[in-house]
Amino acid sequence: KQEVTQIPAALSVPEGENLVLNCSFTDSAIYNLQWFRQDPGKGLTSLLLIQSSQREQTSGRLNASLDKSSGRSTLYIAASQPGDSATYLCAVENSGYALNFGKGTSLLVTP
Amino acid sequence: DADVTQTPRNRITKTGKRIMLECSQTKGHDRMYWYRQDPGLGLRLIYYSFDVKDINKGEISDGYSVSRQAQAKFSLSLESAIPNQTALYFCATSDLRAGSYNEQFFGPGTRLTVL
Repeated sequence: KQEVTQIPAALSVPEGENLVLNCSFTDSAIYNLQWFRQDPGKGLTSLLLIQSSQREQTSGRLNASLDKSSGRSTLYIAASQPGDSATYLCAVENSGYALNFGKGTSLLVTP
Repeated sequence: DADVTQTPRNRITKTGKRIMLECSQTKGHDRMYWYRQDPGLGLRLIYYSFDVKDINKGEISDGYSVSRQAQAKFSLSLESAIPNQTALYFCATSDLRAGSYNEQFFGPGTRLTVL
């Protein structure tokens, strides 16, 4: 069974810092990997999807990388802002349908 | 308007009651999913459906049933609710059309409390 781990569980940074969130997975035979953002009491917003054949994807200040061989993905957030405060979830798809989720990293960006 | 909607957004019920959570989508996706989220456990898949006639159990289907009334509607039922079904429930959609790569899109969630 695919196991997805996110480190750290919580992170607090001052505004303007660049930061990296980590995701590791145990089964490298993945179809894709998605990063989501979840705000308190809200649903999940898809941030980036990396196909298994890709190494990275970029959207604005976000950059996600994928290294299948080592079972790792990182989400890089440049020039963090207080509005980036949320929980970030990594999810891996192995089977063409179901996502296996990590427990998330809770990010707080302080002014 | 939101692409994936869920009703109700919040529900408090009592043990033994039958509850239905509803999901509708305007994205035109064929695939729909129900997940539950528990503190410390992450999101887990309850049921999924690839089209109206195709429904499958997920990791934690015991105590739940689903109905795919149309391509755009997927309902989750708790036949006899119990307190450990207290959780945040999410509906999601996806498709495999070219360029989509099965990216999943989530609704806003339903917070269910079973007393």
